[in-house]
Formats: sequence, C-alpha cells, structure tokens
Amino acid sequence: EIVLTQSPATLSLSPGERATLSCRASHNLNYYLAWYQQKPGQAPRLLIYDASNRASGIPARFSGSGSGTDFTLTISSLEPEDFAVYYCQRRSNWPPAATFGGGTKVEI
Amino acid sequence: QLQLQESGPGLVKPSETLSLICTVSGDSITSSNYYWAWIRQPPGKGLEWIGFMYFSGSTYYSSSFKGRVTISLVTSKKQISLRLSAVTAADTALYFCARDGGPEQQMALPYWGQGTLVTVSS
Repeated sequence: EIVLTQSPATLSLSPGERATLSCRASHNLNYYLAWYQQKPGQAPRLLIYDASNRASGIPARFSGSGSGTDFTLTISSLEPEDFAVYYCQRRSNWPPAATFGGGTKVEI
Repeated sequence: QLQLQESGPGLVKPSETLSLICTVSGDSITSSNYYWAWIRQPPGKGLEWIGFMYFSGSTYYSSSFKGRVTISLVTSKKQISLRLSAVTAADTALYFCARDGGPEQQMALPYWGQGTLVTVSS
C-alpha cells in the first residue's frame, strides 16, 4: 500500500510570501502525482496533475515539481484566497487506484 | 459544462447499506476514456479514495473497504451509484463524486460534485 506523507501539517505565512509544500511517497510514483486545494465548505479543486502540469484556469503562481518519491507544490507569492488546505494525490495506472495525502493547511 | 450532483439519505443506521447517487449533466456518462470516482471526507479530516468506475463499466476499489463497496452506472438516468454495506460510525463522512480529465489527465479530478453528508447513527 502506497502512503503519501505531506509536510508540514500546518504552514503559517503572510500574503506575499512563498509557500513550499512537500509530499513524500513510500514507493516510486514516477510523475503520477496531483495537487488539490480545498477551502471550507467546498469540494477540492485540481491545481496540478502529473507532478508539474497546471490544470485549466490555475494561476501561474502555483507550480509543481518532483518525481519518484519526492514532490513539491510551490505558491510563489501568496494571495489572500490561497489560504486553504492542500492535498496531494497519487494515481496508479494498473490496477487503477488513487491515494490522498493527509493535507497541509496554509494559514495566515 | 460538466456538473455532478450527489444525493441520498443523510442518515443511515449501523449495519445497513449506504446508497448514494451522482447525477451527471453536461456530458454523457459513457463518454470514452473517462474515470468516475467516489471520494469521502470524514468531518474535519482528509480525503479518502473509495473507488473508480471506467466508462466501460469496469470498477476498481480501495482495499480499505474490503468488499463492502459497489459502484455502478445507471446509464439511462445518467447516474453513477455508490453502495457501501455494513456501515459503522466510521463511515460518517461527506461523500463526493468526481470525474477525471480524460486521457491527458488520467485519474486527476478536475470535476467534483458539492458532496453529500451521510451520518451513520441509530
């Protein structure tokens, strides 16, 4: 069973600062990792897929990097609307499967 | 624009079967090469993948549910159903349906419903 460990659990930053979120996998994922943002009372929103590809409509301040077991989501300059919880998600091509990390809360 | 809407009983008794429906609008549920997903989120906790259904009808489930889960298509009604048997309080959660972005975003989920809360209690 593949486990995704996100760190830190909470990140306390100010608007305008850079946020760096980590997702570490227990096994090699190649580049099959996505990132989501979730705000209270809302469904998750896809930000990044396949480690580094921004989803449609996602601002350029969001970027993803990494491969294998270590992945990073970077928000270059935090906007007020970016304070939320962020989840990573791995996919497996065969058999098709997914796992989510435990989340990182980015708070003001 | 694809839209997903979950519905079902908000309260289920322990040991009974939870049954939810995801109604799809804006696209066919049998459109080629898409994965449909159910994900849940216990109150105040993180996301948990339950299973996928491929457009062909093939299903793939998380081992965490140990044979309790069934996902199926109701093509005529443009619905995807979720059944989870022998529920306990640990199954209390917000249940989401979602769809992936197709072959270029396989099993990454840009489309989500707003979720439906299910409480397991006697």
